[in-house]
Amino acid sequence: DAGVIQSPRHEVTEMGQEVTLRCKPISGHDYLFWYRQTMMRGLELLIYFNNNVPIDDSGMPEDRFSAKMPNASFSTLKIQPSEPRDSAVYFCASSWLSGRGNEQFFGPGTRLTVL
Amino acid sequence: GQQVMQIPQYQHVQEGEDFTTYCNSSTTLSNIQWYKQRPGGHPVFLIQLVKSGEVKKQKRLTFQFGEAKKNSSLHITATQTTDVGTYFCAAPWGGYQKVTFGTGTKLQVIP
Repeated sequence: DAGVIQSPRHEVTEMGQEVTLRCKPISGHDYLFWYRQTMMRGLELLIYFNNNVPIDDSGMPEDRFSAKMPNASFSTLKIQPSEPRDSAVYFCASSWLSGRGNEQFFGPGTRLTVL
Repeated sequence: GQQVMQIPQYQHVQEGEDFTTYCNSSTTLSNIQWYKQRPGGHPVFLIQLVKSGEVKKQKRLTFQFGEAKKNSSLHITATQTTDVGTYFCAAPWGGYQKVTFGTGTKLQVIP
C-alpha cells in the first residue's frame, strides 16, 4: 500500500489567494483526519470524517477553512482567502477500527507558506 | 477539551545515555498512544497502551501506562542518533477514533 498520499507537498501563495490541499487515505480506512502543525500551537485536529461524513469540525479555525470528502478515496481542505497566519504544515491521517486499536496513519504533509 | 501535557519540552542527551518523556492527563484515559516524528517528517505510530499499569517494550523503548490511567511514560535506553525526533503522546476524547496530541518532547542526541 502506498500509504496516505497528500498533494502538493509544498505550497507558496500570496495572501488572499485560495489554497486547496488534497488527501488520499489508505484504502479501506473509514476515518480521515486533517491536522495543522505549527511551532506555537503544536499538532491540532481541524476536522475528521467517518465514512465520508464530517463528524467534528470544531477545530476548524474560522469560516475561511472548509473540508470535503466526496468519496472514500479523496478529501480536500480549502482555505479561502488565505492569510499569513495560515502558514503551517497540514497533515492528513486515516485510520480504521481494528482489534489493534485506533492507530492513525499520517501522510507526508503539505507545507503551506502564505506571503 | 482533553488536555495532555508532556514534559520535558526539549531534551539533549549524549549518545548512549537514557531518555524519558512523561505524559500527564487530568482525566482517566481509556488508552494512550505514542508517536514519533522525525525532523521534517510526519508522526508515526509507535504503540497503544490500554490496561492499567501496562508495560510494553520495543527493543530499547519501554512504554508504561500508569495505574490510575492518567499518565504514561516512554523510556529509551542507550539512545542512538536514530532516536532523534519529537515524541508525542495522544489520548482519545470526544469519540473513539479522535485523539488529542500532547505538546511533544523534542529529543536531540549528541554523538
